[in-house]
Parts: sequence; structure tokens; C-alpha cells
Amino acid sequence: EAQVTQNPRYLITVTGKKLTVTCSQNMNHEYMSWYRQDPGLGLRQIYYSMNVEVTDKGDVPEGYKVSRKEKRNFPLILESPSPNQTSLYFCASSHRLPPYEQYFGPGTRLTVT
Amino acid sequence: AQKITQTQPGMFVQEKEAVTLDCTYDTSDPSYGLFWYKQPSSGEMIFLIYQGSYDQQNATEGRYSLNFQKARKSANLVISASQLGDSAMYFCAMREEGGKLIFGQGTELSVKP
Repeated sequence: EAQVTQNPRYLITVTGKKLTVTCSQNMNHEYMSWYRQDPGLGLRQIYYSMNVEVTDKGDVPEGYKVSRKEKRNFPLILESPSPNQTSLYFCASSHRLPPYEQYFGPGTRLTVT
Repeated sequence: AQKITQTQPGMFVQEKEAVTLDCTYDTSDPSYGLFWYKQPSSGEMIFLIYQGSYDQQNATEGRYSLNFQKARKSANLVISASQLGDSAMYFCAMREEGGKLIFGQGTELSVKP
């Protein structure tokens, strides 16, 4: 089954404790992306990757890191989480060519206290 | 500057009627893509429809059609014959040439029986 998986689905952590949210896709997609969703703000892109070893900043990259060492994986790293990073996070992937349909993961709800 | 604007925070429609959700965008890229996604209360993001900036015809997918007016920079979603299951948040998004994806703030659609 074609899918994007994210782990964990729910996470409560404390300020400053490094964490990683994993994202994996099994569709051989070149493009992968991370978003955060906050009420009233829609989805905002954090980072995206057009292919292995190629990453670019989205609109809200501060406080986040990513890496793309393999085509299927695109982990999101919060080196020192803060309460303003409490949010719903989505990973997504698509092919590089049109129609660019993005397949979204189920989301990770992160709470930083 | 807001690049994707959805001016309707909430909309109501009677079951079986058609509804138009508005979306305007702003870009200087000659090549871009426009998307609509649906997010039901369960939280997953569902791809609905895609329109490329060079596509001559308006995109259609079943009951969904995208009314693309390039000169006016609008990409409205039309849902025909609304169903109760169409009640959800709807997001318009634009993919720029470099791969960055920008979402609007969303429109919450409620379908009345």
C-alpha cells in the first residue's frame, strides 16, 4: 500500500529536550516536505527536499533541522524544542513531475511544555 | 505578503447544491501549480485537484472542478451536488517553480441536510 508514515503520532515533551519525528514513504517520490498546522494559520512549510541530499527552507524553518540521506526518509529534528513549536506536523511526498499530487502522512501532534 | 488568499473562513451549502470556494494567489513565476486539499475532522489531508499554470483547460475530478482564471490570479474550487461528507476544511495551495509550497488559511465548509 502506497503510504507516508510518521512516528510518533503523539508526543509530549519538555523545553530543550531534542527530538526527532521520522517520516518515510514507499512510493519512490523525489519530493518530500514538512509542514506545521496551527489554528487560523493553515499549513506552513518548514523544509522541503527535491531529492537526496537536497533540502531547502520553507516559510518557517527556524528551530528545525532536516536531512535527506535516503530517498525514502526525511526526518524532522528539533534540537531544542520550545513551547511555540507545539503544533500538528505533517510530512508529505510527491513526484517531481506534474501533477505533483502530495501524499500526506497522518500527522504528529507535538506538545512542548 | 500573503501569496495565497482564501477570503471565506466559513461557508454553508445545502445538500445537493453546488458551492464555490474562493482562492486568489500571487506569484511572479511563469510556471506554478495550484492545488486544493480537503481536511475532514479526522485530520488527514486529501488531495482533490491540481491545475498547472500552462494548462489550457480547467481541471476536473469527478464532482470537483477548478475555475482557473490566470489573468485574475484566481483558482476557485467548485463542488457540484454537495454531499454531507463534503463538510470539511478546504485548503488552496500553490507550488512555486523552485518547489516551495504555500497554503491558504482554509475555508470551513458545512453542508446542511
